[in-house]
Amino acid sequence: AQSVTQPDIHITVSEGASLELRCNYSYGATPYLFWYVQSPGQGLQLLLKYFSGDTLVQGIKGFEAEFKRSQSSFNLRKPSVHWSDAAEYFCAVGINQAGTALIFGKGTTLSVSS
Amino acid sequence: KAGVTQTPRYLIKTRGQQVTLSCSPISGHRSVSWYQQTPGQGLQFLFEYFSETQRNKGNFPGRFSGRQFSNSRSEMNVSTLELGDSALYLCASSLAVGTGTEKLFFGSGTQLSVL
Repeated sequence: AQSVTQPDIHITVSEGASLELRCNYSYGATPYLFWYVQSPGQGLQLLLKYFSGDTLVQGIKGFEAEFKRSQSSFNLRKPSVHWSDAAEYFCAVGINQAGTALIFGKGTTLSVSS
Repeated sequence: KAGVTQTPRYLIKTRGQQVTLSCSPISGHRSVSWYQQTPGQGLQFLFEYFSETQRNKGNFPGRFSGRQFSNSRSEMNVSTLELGDSALYLCASSLAVGTGTEKLFFGSGTQLSVL
């Protein structure tokens, strides 16, 4: 069965430090992978997506993610975190070809300290 | 361009009742999908509708149902409510015209409380 695991429930990073959020997936075929962010009062917003091609994907707000098939991972990274990045981050795998039906991980809450 | 609109924003029901939630997608979007978000289970996929047909379904009991109208607006119905149905219900829309190229636009959700 398809599943997504985000091993870290909560992460605290100092402002200006680098960030890596982990995501592991289980899916039989070539996966469609996504990272979404949920901020209070702003709803869920797509950060980036991977469908095929280059395994390093660039997204909005300076985020990037790398697809590693051998490790079944799709980790999210940002070189320098800003206080406004504090939010909940969700990794997801698409279970249909259109990428419109998603299985989400449980999420990682990011806190940013000054 | 207006975003995804969900109504009502908050809803309080009692066990055994039924409830209908509404979702108006972004103009031109043909796919509407529904998700349940709870603190314990996180975000779970309920179902997706495309051109008035249910295209994908998650692992929820038959008490959860939905439909989509010709204008792409969608409704979700939960019958015989249980306490565990208390959740934030999110709707997302997309153009859904390609393969694996879609971006979901989420609404703000309907917060359902079952007493």
